[in-house]
Amino acid sequence: GQQVMQIPQYQHVQEGEDFTTYCNSSTTLSNIQWYKQRPGGHPVFLIQLVKSGEVKKQKRLTFQFGEAKKNSSLHITATQTTDVGTYFCARRPSSNYQLIWGAGTKLIIKP
Amino acid sequence: EAGVAQSPRYKIIEKRQSVAFWCNPISGHATLYWYQQILGQGPKLLIQFQNNGVVDDSQLPKDRFSAERLKGVDSTLKIQPAKLEDSAVYLCASSLERENTGELFFGEGSRLTVL
Repeated sequence: GQQVMQIPQYQHVQEGEDFTTYCNSSTTLSNIQWYKQRPGGHPVFLIQLVKSGEVKKQKRLTFQFGEAKKNSSLHITATQTTDVGTYFCARRPSSNYQLIWGAGTKLIIKP
Repeated sequence: EAGVAQSPRYKIIEKRQSVAFWCNPISGHATLYWYQQILGQGPKLLIQFQNNGVVDDSQLPKDRFSAERLKGVDSTLKIQPAKLEDSAVYLCASSLERENTGELFFGEGSRLTVL
């Protein structure tokens, strides 16, 4: 239905390795938002994607919206300790106002 | 610009007691949200206000939860009586766009522990 599936639930990486989280939906998304939540913190908005096939970059972060607008991804190049946290995608169905959140992907940097 | 303010940051109560959380959104933000975030999960919307009117409260457990935003600015969320499963962080967020397409700005949250 309206849920968004976010995978993986956790990802352990060595500092300097890349990280990717995926957000998938069975229905077309009107838009997708990405948020980051540091441990013990609150969600902070990163970006919103609206257009089919859209790609946006913020320094080492690359956000993509699928051509069919049913999936999205966030890729971090060369992770740093400051990237630690949980990354959430959230969709807003065109039929109502509510933001529907994925379960999040927790990025863990191996010591 | 001041962010979303919430209080208290932490609250510990026993089951069947009551608790109230307060939120002051960013000045000028018409839309205010209360979310419940259980450890390890994404935020779950409890209620959404547009100015002082309720837009969506479909997931609010109305037998025990209530919320108000009387003057269209700050808001309170009350739980009475609390249950063990209410232990969570209660996040308040606000947004500027009336069309509900913009980013949400979150407060630090109020962490509730029910014993």
